[in-house]
Amino acid sequence: GAGVSQSPSNKVTEKGKDVELRCDPISGHTALYWYRQSLGQGLEFLIYFQGNSAPDKSGLPSDRFSAERTGGSVSTLTIQRTQQEDSAVYLCASSFRSLNTEAFFGQGTRLTVV
Amino acid sequence: ELKVEQNPLFLSMQEGKNYTIYCNYSTTSDRLYWYRQDPGKSLESLFVLLSNGAVKQEGRLMASLDTKARLSTLHITAAVHDLSATYFCAVDRNLQGGSEKLVFGKGTKLTVNP
Repeated sequence: GAGVSQSPSNKVTEKGKDVELRCDPISGHTALYWYRQSLGQGLEFLIYFQGNSAPDKSGLPSDRFSAERTGGSVSTLTIQRTQQEDSAVYLCASSFRSLNTEAFFGQGTRLTVV
Repeated sequence: ELKVEQNPLFLSMQEGKNYTIYCNYSTTSDRLYWYRQDPGKSLESLFVLLSNGAVKQEGRLMASLDTKARLSTLHITAAVHDLSATYFCAVDRNLQGGSEKLVFGKGTKLTVNP
């Protein structure tokens, strides 16, 4: 596709439910990032996939959060047993590191836990 | 661990004035990026700076990089209201066998007043 695509754009879920957020990176991009942004705040790093290397999961806030990237392309961020503090905008970005180009961001998924 | 500090975090300025946003980072980096974020929107890439002394300009914005001082600046010339947004700098670096995640500063919220 032309850009990074995230779905859904908005998600309202009840506390305790599991949610899956999807990211379709730009075709051919080897690096994929997930960040979280709470209202009026900066970007909180969650996880980073780079090619076939082991992902950097150092930003995942708890074991309720997990992510995978299948076939080096689409990524899914899963939050189990959601809590109200998980409410935020989840941003995905991708880049082609070898070309020293920037990371391109999707429009984000706004998650609201009620 | 790579850390990025921006200042100021909040900037209110009048139209027509000049100002500079600063971005310091903690360790040697290979690439520095500037992004813009409008309220309720995702991040838009402004500049990619790859080498010491690099300078890039787009309209009223000019970014520069001093790798020895580990400092980048984003200079605003003759500000206009349309520049009101939050500006983020980010850095990453190559590691043996791969590359490190993109680390963001907390952002500078710029408000340009008539």
